[in-house]
Amino acid sequence: DAMVIQNPRYQVTQFGKPVTLSCSQTLNHNVMYWYQQKSSQAPKLLFHYYDKDFNNEADTPDNFQSRRPNTSFCFLDIRSPGLGDAAMYLCATSRGVRDSPVGEQFFGPGTRLTVL
Amino acid sequence: DAKTTQPNSMESNEEEPVHLPCNHSTISGTDYIHWYRQLPSQGPEYVIHGLTSNVNNRMASLAIAEDRKSSTLILHRATLRDAAVYYCILGISSGSARQLTFGSGTQLTVLP
Repeated sequence: DAMVIQNPRYQVTQFGKPVTLSCSQTLNHNVMYWYQQKSSQAPKLLFHYYDKDFNNEADTPDNFQSRRPNTSFCFLDIRSPGLGDAAMYLCATSRGVRDSPVGEQFFGPGTRLTVL
Repeated sequence: DAKTTQPNSMESNEEEPVHLPCNHSTISGTDYIHWYRQLPSQGPEYVIHGLTSNVNNRMASLAIAEDRKSSTLILHRATLRDAAVYYCILGISSGSARQLTFGSGTQLTVLP
């Protein structure tokens, strides 16, 4: 089945220690998104890629970076995690609006990040 | 950003219809109305979308007001598996992608 896969499902890191979360997709979608979801809150968009074009949300901290080496993979790098970065990180994909005006997004199961 | 307003929580009895309301008074002409839901410990999943006309799919129906400033998601027969947070979202075109700005959502509880 075509899907969005996130690894690992649970990640523990130490305060200030860089961490990378990964996302892969078999849907061949142009667009990949990263969201942050803190406890009891709605998902918040951090950034997205359309192919290799990176689009950062204005209020995304510089501590968060992303890489997309190819269509299938996208990484979220947190350079110096703080306690406030503990959250669920969700990856999603969609077709671009030229192919799909609605842009239905397909989400992965998320990676829950704990910062000690 | 165009925003949506939803009740924080709603309850329904199993096997009964559920109407989940959403206000989006600042909607613009090209904004699609999306509904997603998030089951516990899972990523959000698409439920339905619409632009101007009412829509039906296997999961739900979407009723859109004539002025498009509000909409209602209808689950025809709620099951225990429908217990989730339901998000009403305006899909904003951001260049080549459709950007979703999630509001606080409605926590639906389904009672047996």
